[in-house]
Amino acid sequence: GQNIDQPTEMTATEGAIVQINCTYQTSGFNGLFWYQQHAGEAPTFLSYNVLDGLEEKGRFSSFLSRSKGYSYLLLKELQMKDSASYLCASMDSNYQLIWGAGTKLIIKP
Amino acid sequence: DTAVSQTPKYLVTQMGNDKSIKCEQNLGHDTMYWYKQDSKKFLKIMFSYNNKELIINETVPNRFSPKSPDKAHLNLHINSLELGDSAVYFCASSQEGQGSYEKLFFGSGTQLSVL
Repeated sequence: GQNIDQPTEMTATEGAIVQINCTYQTSGFNGLFWYQQHAGEAPTFLSYNVLDGLEEKGRFSSFLSRSKGYSYLLLKELQMKDSASYLCASMDSNYQLIWGAGTKLIIKP
Repeated sequence: DTAVSQTPKYLVTQMGNDKSIKCEQNLGHDTMYWYKQDSKKFLKIMFSYNNKELIINETVPNRFSPKSPDKAHLNLHINSLELGDSAVYFCASSQEGQGSYEKLFFGSGTQLSVL
């Protein structure tokens, strides 16, 4: 079966760094997406990885290891507005997105 | 200007009723989607549709039907609503590609509560 695993909840301190992990098992692989979803709002695109390695975009970076079926989202210099759920999604061989349940990130002052 | 807009934001209704949720995108995208996000926050695709093909998730009951009057609109009609239909429904769109990187743009969601 197809499965995406990510922690349910994480807590971090304002100004710190946090890494949100995601492991995936899908039928085929056509890329790994990260989306941010604030409470009561729509998910918004953060990053896409299809090749191994680290993609950096400002305070946010995303890493992929295809051989390990593993990705992480790294958030630096955390701000209170980063409190949200972070959704990991893998695109399978049919180009369908398989979504994780999201990691709720709580930022404390 | 809102890229993907859906209405209503909240929908409270009785079991057995029929209801519709409307979605419009002004991005010129070829493909539109309906997703259901349940209480556990999993996003599950219900339909994807472009002007060529409707792809239905086989787990979706046939009480749910998408209706697309044109490329910019994909409405969701639900017959005989059940308690288990309570969830947040998201419309989304993307630019059609041969399975390449397709970033989704989501609407703000419709919270459906069936009493």
